[in-house]
This record gives sequence, structure tokens and C-alpha cells, in this order.
Amino acid sequence: EVQLVESGGGLVQPGGSLRLSCAASGFTFSRYDMHWVRQVTGKHLEWVAAIGFAGDTHYPDSVKGRFTISRENAKNSFYLQMNSLRDGDAAVYYCGGALPPITGALDVWGKGTTVIVSS
Amino acid sequence: EIVLTQSPATLSLSPGERATLSCRASQSVYNFLVWYQQKPGQAPRLLIYDASNRATGIPARFSGSGSGTDFTLTISSLEPEDFAVYYCQQRTDWPYTFGQGTKLEIK
Repeated sequence: EVQLVESGGGLVQPGGSLRLSCAASGFTFSRYDMHWVRQVTGKHLEWVAAIGFAGDTHYPDSVKGRFTISRENAKNSFYLQMNSLRDGDAAVYYCGGALPPITGALDVWGKGTTVIVSS
Repeated sequence: EIVLTQSPATLSLSPGERATLSCRASQSVYNFLVWYQQKPGQAPRLLIYDASNRATGIPARFSGSGSGTDFTLTISSLEPEDFAVYYCQQRTDWPYTFGQGTKLEIK
């Protein structure tokens, strides 16, 4: 069964750090580009970070310099290190995967992990 | 960054009717436009990629069209399970961006 499972969400104070993890199973993880997408409750989706199968990374300006995406193909896992967290970063964070050449069309998704930023 | 504008924000229809959802891009995304369906409490589900290609397992009642800046998602005859929020997303240029969504609700 194709599956992505997120972990690492929780409550963090403004300015704090959190590391999200996403474990993959049921597909050839090393061939996939992997992404993080977030969603504030009741709001639209926002793309947060991507890492290609070759290790190239991309971020929107809203998180660039604060968030770092990485992957460990040997563990079928990838991560999102989030530093200097702000109120606006509070959301459900989904991990997703896309198989090149259809890069960016996420055909596998996790169920999400919730990040709460509050003092 | 490329801005995607979806319309209408809410669409009220009955089962069996035809649904037409629109997505307009602030600049050309060629055909690199993706559609997702999201139900409450669930992750998004890939429906259409590259404007008109159905993803694996997606029923034939879902179809996509368009190129450049104007795109349409059509559901030919609504089933009860189709009532959800639909998002478009461009994969032409970084940062990838999503539209604000169209909520398809039962009339």
C-alpha cells in the first residue's frame, strides 16, 4: 500500500523550532520528488518546500531562510526543519510526493500533522 | 509569483448536474496546471495533471481543459461523493502556487 505518514507536529512557542518527518512506504521513494504543503484551518493550500529526487531544494519567500527540507533515501524518509516559527506558520502540514517527469503533481499524500504556534 | 484565481468561490448544484469550475493564471502556465479534490478532514487528492490528463483511478466524469492562462475542470454528472473543495495548482515555475479553491456544495 502506498503510504506517507507525517510526525513531529505539536505546540511550539513563537521563535521556536520544530522538525517534521515523513515516512514513505509502498513505492520507490528515491525516484520521487517530495513536497511539504500546509493548510491553515478553513483556508487554502500553500506550498512550503520541495526536494527533488536528486536533492535540489525549493522554497517560497515566506519560509526561505527559516525552513530546510532534507531527505534520507536509505530510510525512505524526508524532513522539514522549521526555525524561527511565527504565528502564521500554524497549520496542518501535509507531505506529498510526485513522480518525475510530472514534477509538482502530487499523487501521494500523507494525512497531515498539526503545528500550533502559541505562547 | 504566479497567482491563480478560481471561480466561483462556491458552486451550488444538485447530483446529476454538470459542474464547471474555472482557474485563471496571472501569467501563462502553458499546460502545467493541476487539479485536486479535498474533502473535510482529508488530504487533497490528485484529479488532473497537465491540464487534461486524469490521474490513476479518477473517473471519466472528471475532465480538464485549457492552456496558457485559462483552465476549466468539468464534472459531467455530479455524484454525491463529488461535493468537496477543488483546488488548482501550477507547476510551471517556483514557487508552486495554489488557487484559493472552489467549494462545490449540494443545492
